[in-house]
Amino acid sequence: EVQLLESGGGLVQPGGSLRLSCAASGFTFGISVMNWVRQAPGKGLEWVSVIDGGSNYVNYVDSVKGRFTVSRDNSQNTLFLQMSSLRVEDTAVYYCASRGPNWGAFDIWGQGTAVTVSS
Amino acid sequence: EIVLTQSPATLSLSPGERGTLSCRASQNINTALAWYQQKPGQAPRLLIDVASNRATGIPARFSGSGSGTDFTLTISSLEPEDFAVYYCQQRSDWPITFGQGTRLEIK
Repeated sequence: EVQLLESGGGLVQPGGSLRLSCAASGFTFGISVMNWVRQAPGKGLEWVSVIDGGSNYVNYVDSVKGRFTVSRDNSQNTLFLQMSSLRVEDTAVYYCASRGPNWGAFDIWGQGTAVTVSS
Repeated sequence: EIVLTQSPATLSLSPGERGTLSCRASQNINTALAWYQQKPGQAPRLLIDVASNRATGIPARFSGSGSGTDFTLTISSLEPEDFAVYYCQQRSDWPITFGQGTRLEIK
């Protein structure tokens, strides 16, 4: 079964750090372009970050540049998002998502992990 | 950044009716557009890619059209399970952006 399973969310104070993980199974993770997408409570979807299969290309939305770092371990079929200097506005459900062939649309999604930044 | 504007914000229809959702891009994105459906408490689900190609397992009542800046998602005859929020997404340029969503509700 094709599956993405996020973990690592929780409550953190402003300025703190958190590391999210996304475990993949049922597809060829090592060649998949992986993304993080977030959704603030009651709001729409916001793309956060991308990393290609070989970790040769990464990109971020401007609001997280310099604070978030995406990485992957293909030997463990796992995607990561290291988040630091967290702000209240980073509060959201964070989804990992795999893109289809040829950098296509996001065809596989995890169930999400909730991050709350609050004092 | 490419801005996607969806209309209407909320669409109230009855089962069996035809639903038409619009997405307008702030600049030409050719056909680099996808549509997603999201139900409460669930992750989004890919419906349409490259503006008009249905994703695997998506019923034929869902269809997409358009190119350039104007796009449409049509649901030919609404089923009870189709009432949800729909998002368009562009991948023509970085950053990838989503529309603000259209809520399709039961009338």
